[in-house]
Amino acid sequence: DADVTQTPRNRITKTGKRIMLECSQTKGHDRMYWYRQDPGLGLQLIYYSFDVKDINKGEISDGYSVSRQAQAKFSLSLESAIPNQTALYFCATSDFQARQFFGPGTRLTVL
Amino acid sequence: AQKVTQAQTEISVVEKEDVTLDCVYETRDTTYYLFWYKQPPSGELVFLIRRNSFDEQNEISGRYSWNFQKSTSSFNFTITASQVVDSAVYFCALSSYNQGGKLIFGQGTELSVKP
Repeated sequence: DADVTQTPRNRITKTGKRIMLECSQTKGHDRMYWYRQDPGLGLQLIYYSFDVKDINKGEISDGYSVSRQAQAKFSLSLESAIPNQTALYFCATSDFQARQFFGPGTRLTVL
Repeated sequence: AQKVTQAQTEISVVEKEDVTLDCVYETRDTTYYLFWYKQPPSGELVFLIRRNSFDEQNEISGRYSWNFQKSTSSFNFTITASQVVDSAVYFCALSSYNQGGKLIFGQGTELSVKP
């Protein structure tokens, strides 16, 4: 089984809808991250969490919110989706040696 | 501020050629890590290597090699005898202890290896 899983893998939604992307990990890491990748660009950090009580904004947090339900779960929400949030979203965990382990990605399309 | 620059947007080579992907970084931290990731057309991110700022030893792994030079703030990646399966987007990234371990990515280099 994969160490970092993301659901759904693909999602098409409409403008204005609320959508949640979920991330689960079995690596036992405290640190978790959400990144966004736009076509032809590198990844940009949306939010990150050092533990259940510690959540921080990244470079592009506007329009997004997160919830760290447990050490193993970190969810990303788009309260009111808009077309320019169409992107590939990655969840990641980090170990004490700063290595990051990525989930398979969620491809989100907002119509 | 931290920054990673991959000046080569696209590279196209013929199979068996050697190719070097450039990466230049900026950071004020003395303890940091550098990474290379591969993103094949399927979209997942594949970890290739991590280097810490205190270890400038070059590394070779099969056809892959990495050259880390602190003096020029560069961490270049060379593929020897390239193969079609090497076709992908390659990302260089930087993280530092003081920044909470979050990765700063370069824009990526798309490598196309033609038969």
